[in-house]
Amino acid sequence: DMKVTQMPRYLIKRMGENVLLECGQDMSHETMYWYRQDPGLGLQLIYISYDVDSNSEGDIPKGYRVSRKKREHFSLILDSAKTNQTSVYFCASSQGYSDYTFGSGTRLLVI
Amino acid sequence: QQKVQQSPESLTVSEGAMASLNCTFSDGTSNNFRWYRQHSAKGLEVLVSIFSDGEKEEGRFTAHLNRANLHVSLHIREPQPSDSAVYLCAVRTNTNKVVFGTGTRLQVLP
Repeated sequence: DMKVTQMPRYLIKRMGENVLLECGQDMSHETMYWYRQDPGLGLQLIYISYDVDSNSEGDIPKGYRVSRKKREHFSLILDSAKTNQTSVYFCASSQGYSDYTFGSGTRLLVI
Repeated sequence: QQKVQQSPESLTVSEGAMASLNCTFSDGTSNNFRWYRQHSAKGLEVLVSIFSDGEKEEGRFTAHLNRANLHVSLHIREPQPSDSAVYLCAVRTNTNKVVFGTGTRLQVLP
């Protein structure tokens, strides 16, 4: 069953704490993405990864970094989380120009 | 930079009545457009993909693309309450990035 799995589904962190969001896919897709979704702003691209250790900034990379050491796994890291990083984070993967496959999202609350 | 706008922001229709959603984009050189549906706090599922001007039907969902007018629409035939969701328009740019619209929230009343 082809899918993208995100962990955790829900997360509450205090301002200044480090946050690790995990994403895995079982389709051997080369390209993976991290988006955040906020009301009125839609989905905004944070980072793209074209393959292992081949990452590129998206439209809103500030405050985030990523890690991709295996093709099937892509992590989003928030060093010293801020309250304005409260959002729903989606991971997706694709191969070439194929449709994106999205995970179910991680709802992060930074207090 | 490709910009994608959707209208209306929200739409309420009765079960069985046609629902029409609109999406405009700024760069007409894109040739890869998709409509996604997102049920509350869940992931996105692709409904229709369209790559050339004209019409593309997938079940009850039909997309119309007119690149000259920078417009792509989604029409939902015989909508049901289970179709209540947020609908997102997505445009893939020539650099293989996908830009999403802000969505239309559709409510279908029984």
